[in-house]
Amino acid sequence: GNSVTQMEGPVTLSEEAFLTINCTYTATGYPSLFWYVQYPGEGLQLLLKATKADDKGSNKGFEATYRKETTSFHLEKGSVQVSDSAVYFCALSAGGTSYGKLTFGQGTILTVHP
Amino acid sequence: NAGVTQTPKFQVLKTGQSMTLQCAQDMNHEYMSWYRQDPGMGLRLIHYSVGAGITDQGEVPNGYNVSRSTTEDFPLRLLSAAPSQTSVYFCASSYSYEGTEAFFGQGTRLTVV
Repeated sequence: GNSVTQMEGPVTLSEEAFLTINCTYTATGYPSLFWYVQYPGEGLQLLLKATKADDKGSNKGFEATYRKETTSFHLEKGSVQVSDSAVYFCALSAGGTSYGKLTFGQGTILTVHP
Repeated sequence: NAGVTQTPKFQVLKTGQSMTLQCAQDMNHEYMSWYRQDPGMGLRLIHYSVGAGITDQGEVPNGYNVSRSTTEDFPLRLLSAAPSQTSVYFCASSYSYEGTEAFFGQGTRLTVV
């Protein structure tokens, strides 16, 4: 079956530090890949996505590149802010008749200190 | 634009009680789903629907029922609550095409005592 493995957390950084959260996946075919973010007390919202190999998704200074050869979709940001403190989820959608069906990683809690 | 609306936000149940978690979306999405979020386990799919009248099981369906009589609504029923169902529940909706974004409700925090 499909699965997503995320870097275990929590991650604690100082403001302006570089962020990497690792994500690898197992899936048949050519899944779409996503990063969702959950701010305290809220539901999940899409951060960025990529639908085919070598695509780069980007939003709010965050980036991730779909690497089929390493089955990875690592999240990066060059300079984090306190407002980036949240839980980050890597997810995939396997496609076919299941485009809306998401498989999630465990989630990574990010805390950014001033 | 309301998006995905879940009610209630918090609920405490006694073991054996039943209840329905409500979910409604106003985006005319075909696809709706229910997930539960537990610490260290991410979100796991309970049930999903690809359109009115069509539902199917996800990864962890036991103890839950769903129905989809309209495009807008997708309620989740707990038949006989158990402490193992203590969790945060999220409803999501999306279109059904490659790379589609899922929109999530704000969640229901359920405690079963």
